[in-house]
Amino acid sequence: GAGVSQTPSNKVTEKGKYVELRCDPISGHTALYWYRQSLGQGPEFLIYFQGTGAADDSGLPNDRFFAVRPEGSVSTLKIQRTERGDSAVYLCASSPNRVATDTQYFGPGTRLTVL
Amino acid sequence: GEDVEQSLFLSVREGDSSVINCTYTDSSSTYLYWYKQEPGAGLQLLTYIFSNMDMKQDQRLTVLLNKKDKHLSLRIADTQTGDSAIYFCAESGAGNNRKLIWGLGTSLAVNP
Repeated sequence: GAGVSQTPSNKVTEKGKYVELRCDPISGHTALYWYRQSLGQGPEFLIYFQGTGAADDSGLPNDRFFAVRPEGSVSTLKIQRTERGDSAVYLCASSPNRVATDTQYFGPGTRLTVL
Repeated sequence: GEDVEQSLFLSVREGDSSVINCTYTDSSSTYLYWYKQEPGAGLQLLTYIFSNMDMKQDQRLTVLLNKKDKHLSLRIADTQTGDSAIYFCAESGAGNNRKLIWGLGTSLAVNP
């Protein structure tokens, strides 16, 4: 079946602009995670949704970052007043969260470049 | 706070075994994972181990966990050039929130 998809695959924007990154999880997966991976680094947790609610947003770096998942499926990560330091690959993962052995399935990521 | 550390580079000859090491600090870690990332590709889950296990084997992959020392290793037997990639160690707790805490990754180079 279809995996996790993310759009766009690449986004180039100018400093100060607003961007939205979209994640389509695997159908039926209740848990959704956003991570970001800067060049040469491991992924860094941003936010976790269980259903429609953000159950853990402790990884969001500041109030310019916001994410929603209004119907418990598609999620959008929103970044206001982008800065050059926001340039990274933004990764989305989903999980069924039914049993203890359920793991996360990752999308291909959106590469964000802030000029 | 939570921290996961890995050595950054490893170079092996084709056919040899590779051992990639990882240490973590969170004693409440329940699951420990190994992911593979190839250039331009997404993150691929290779294997994971519960914290109450010492070892897990899956074909060419062997994971060893020393919970007392908070040390995790991944051994790849008969390493091939197709194994060249970045390998990430990650940990998570139990419960619904399985947010992953990641190491920086170990870049494995396999030389013919």
